[in-house]
Amino acid sequence: EAGVVQSPRYKIIEKKQPVAFWCNPISGHNTLYWYLQNLGQGPELLIRYENEEAVDDSQLPKDRFSAERLKGVDSTLKIQPAELGDSAVYLCASSSGQGIVNEQFFGPGTRLTVL
Amino acid sequence: TQLLEQSPQFLSIQEGENLTVYCNSSSVFSSLQWYRQEPGEGPVLLVTVVTGGEVKKLKRLTFQFGDARKDSSLHITAAQPGDTGLYLCAGAKGGKLIFGQGTELSVKP
Repeated sequence: EAGVVQSPRYKIIEKKQPVAFWCNPISGHNTLYWYLQNLGQGPELLIRYENEEAVDDSQLPKDRFSAERLKGVDSTLKIQPAELGDSAVYLCASSSGQGIVNEQFFGPGTRLTVL
Repeated sequence: TQLLEQSPQFLSIQEGENLTVYCNSSSVFSSLQWYRQEPGEGPVLLVTVVTGGEVKKLKRLTFQFGDARKDSSLHITAAQPGDTGLYLCAGAKGGKLIFGQGTELSVKP
């Protein structure tokens, strides 16, 4: 079974430029998450989708960040314009959303460097 | 304010030594998970503990969930260089996972 796929793996841009990250979750997983991870820190949730609906976007900086999950499968996270402080790893995860245990499966992440 | 505090943040030991990583909180979680993350990769789930006082073993790794479901520990026996990585605990609360800041473990041969 294929895992969570993310692209690109690495992205280097100049500040004020736009950038987009793509995620394909595990087949059949209805719940999709985007996390931000700074070096040596744990992931921090940005947004959670249940199918195509964003059910928790309270931590998403909406002035510059946006996300979509059309058709409830793939998802895209966008930053426009990027700032120096956005340099981090952006992780996508998915889960089946069933049962009391929220077991999430993570992709390899996209490492963003803003110059 | 960190909801989940992990300690120590960094640990460098020799192959064959034992170690324990702690994950503490003032909040109650419905479940708690431990992940291991290698450089350039996403976290990989090691174990989920659900019941207060629960103990789970995974080869040389022993995981314990506190009786009050607020804290957890990970004990590694006879650490090996392949155990090197970032160990993350994550508590399930309100439909989402809250991660600790991680423990960076380095096991030297």
